[in-house]
Amino acid sequence: KQEVTQIPAALSVPEGENLVLNCSFTDSAIYNLQWFRQDPGKGLTSLLLIQSSQREQTSGRLNASLDKSSGRSTLYIAASQPGDSATYLCAVSPRPQAGTALIFGKGTTLSVSS
Amino acid sequence: EADIYQTPRYLVIGTGKKITLECSQTMGHDKMYWYQQDPGMELHLIHYSYGVNSTEKGDLSSESTVSRIRTEHFPLTLESARPSHTSQYLCASRDSGFATNEKLFFGSGTQLSVL
Repeated sequence: KQEVTQIPAALSVPEGENLVLNCSFTDSAIYNLQWFRQDPGKGLTSLLLIQSSQREQTSGRLNASLDKSSGRSTLYIAASQPGDSATYLCAVSPRPQAGTALIFGKGTTLSVSS
Repeated sequence: EADIYQTPRYLVIGTGKKITLECSQTMGHDKMYWYQQDPGMELHLIHYSYGVNSTEKGDLSSESTVSRIRTEHFPLTLESARPSHTSQYLCASRDSGFATNEKLFFGSGTQLSVL
């Protein structure tokens, strides 16, 4: 059964730091991997989607990498800002079928202080 | 910008009541999902639909039911609410494309409290 783990569970950094969030998954047979952001009491916003054939995706200050063979993904946030404070979730699509429901990790809660 | 809406945003209700959580999307997505999330925990899939008149139960055992009579509408119903149903319920949808645009769009969620 596919399991998704995120480390660390919580992270506090001062404004301006570069940081890395980690995600690992037990079954490398994934279709794609997504990173989401969740603000307290809100729904999730998709940040980046990486297909299984890709190695990385970039959007602004965010860069996500994927190493499918080792079951790992990282989310790199450059020059962190207080507005980046949120919970970041990683999710995998476990089978090569379009529309299969995602399996989520518990998330990393990020706090960026000014 | 995602166009997926959930109502109500918050709901406090007594034990034994029947409730329906509404979810609507205007993007024409075939696939819709209901997830349940407790504080600090991962999302668990409780129901999904791949199109009109298609509904399936997810991995998490749930006493709720869903219907999909129209593409844009995917309501979730609890026939008799219990305190154990207290949680956040998140609705999501995505396109049917195989390689392109598999992004999942979420509503803002319904925070349910059963007293």
